Amino acid sequence: QKEVEQDPGPLSVPEGAIVSLNCTYSNSAFQYFMWYRQYSRKGPELLMYTYSSGNKEDGRFTAQVDKSSKYISLFIRDSQPSDSATYLCAMTSGGYQKVTFGTGTKLQVIP
Amino acid sequence: DVKVTQSSRYLVKRTGEKVFLECVQDMDHENMFWYRQDPGLGLRLIYFSYDVKMKEKGDIPEGYSVSREKKERFSLILESASTNQTSMYLCASSLLGYTNYGYTFGSGTRLTVV
Repeated sequence: QKEVEQDPGPLSVPEGAIVSLNCTYSNSAFQYFMWYRQYSRKGPELLMYTYSSGNKEDGRFTAQVDKSSKYISLFIRDSQPSDSATYLCAMTSGGYQKVTFGTGTKLQVIP
Repeated sequence: DVKVTQSSRYLVKRTGEKVFLECVQDMDHENMFWYRQDPGLGLRLIYFSYDVKMKEKGDIPEGYSVSREKKERFSLILESASTNQTSMYLCASSLLGYTNYGYTFGSGTRLTVV
């Protein structure tokens, strides 16, 4: 079993829709959770990071962590064609520990 | 703007060639990483380094080696390129002891071995 599971998609939504992207994980030591966005043929860029459980909002993006269920989500409101990308979740117990990545969900927002 | 720079965006090499992929970061980060990314397999760690002249094997080091002679530069070497090493290669860096802030990635090198 992988430490981090992420549905690869692809996920196609119409412009303006609310998008929900999710990951589950098995390692209860993970405390820091990140979302990366990766455009085609580019490197991943850090979108958001959160610590422990709860929500964090940044513009149209909301990251949510439920440590009791070992489940994290990224919500995108009013989705735009420019949001079309692959979204990778990532997590770590912090400090000197490496980051573990999900395999990514490909999102397409259709105009 | 801080960044991780990979020297080549696209490379085509022949089977058996020795291939060098270069990565430079300007953030004074101690940690540097090399990943390969393949459809359906996600990011797989090849090697990482937490200090000059230090290196640690990742999950898939076979067929690769690395060199870190300066803090800002981390090179990935394919000793004898094979077609199954055709992939997207990503370099990343982070501060030592601060992985909770994630990694900064380069733009990637798409390597094709023919």
